[in-house]
Amino acid sequence: DTGVSQNPRHKITKRGQNVTFRCDPISEHNRLYWYRQTLGQGPEFLTYFQNEAQLEKSRLLSDRFSAERPKGSFSTLEIQRTEQGDSAMYLCASSQPGTGGSYEQYFGPGTRLTVT
Amino acid sequence: SQQGEEDPQALSIQEGENATMNCSYKTSINNLQWYRQNSGRGLVHLILIRSNEREKHSGRLRVTLDTSKKSSSLLITASRAADTASYFCATALSGGGGNKLTFGTGTQLKVEL
Repeated sequence: DTGVSQNPRHKITKRGQNVTFRCDPISEHNRLYWYRQTLGQGPEFLTYFQNEAQLEKSRLLSDRFSAERPKGSFSTLEIQRTEQGDSAMYLCASSQPGTGGSYEQYFGPGTRLTVT
Repeated sequence: SQQGEEDPQALSIQEGENATMNCSYKTSINNLQWYRQNSGRGLVHLILIRSNEREKHSGRLRVTLDTSKKSSSLLITASRAADTASYFCATALSGGGGNKLTFGTGTQLKVEL
């Protein structure tokens, strides 16, 4: 168990460019989540997958955002036509079912996006 | 949007003292989790308490849950400088929802030597 990994750790991009982030969850975890965190705030839910199926998307996830988990393993989050308001830490987490339907989520180190 | 709030927003104590943080939330939950985040880093899971539990311990951590008041508290005993971090409570709603977490605004804890 090497934990959840995310790449890149930092990304600086110019407004209007597209960016893609990758998340590798803990191998036996079937659920994968994306969150966004801005300075001084708690993380906010964006979307989650169970295996390869994307089961829920937050209203925060505009049509410029797309996430995939093609083989139920790693996931990618793409932001098209980035805006300065997209600058944030993007966190990935994974989990597997626990007792009584309760799930602990394990977070990666995050990808910090800066849009200039 | 945030589910609720932590109180206090910031807390500064001396090493060896106890630290108590409170969390309030708004809707019925399946479970409540506490996480720690060191500056600019990912979140570390500390403890999970289910809606039918009232108290849980893990090492120097003690968590209570009062579903009638929709509140929880996290107690860190005998604090250490290494406990300096932001602490977040997060709730998973009852009735499904994939156990997505809704986080509070966090408490910044500073433990001074």
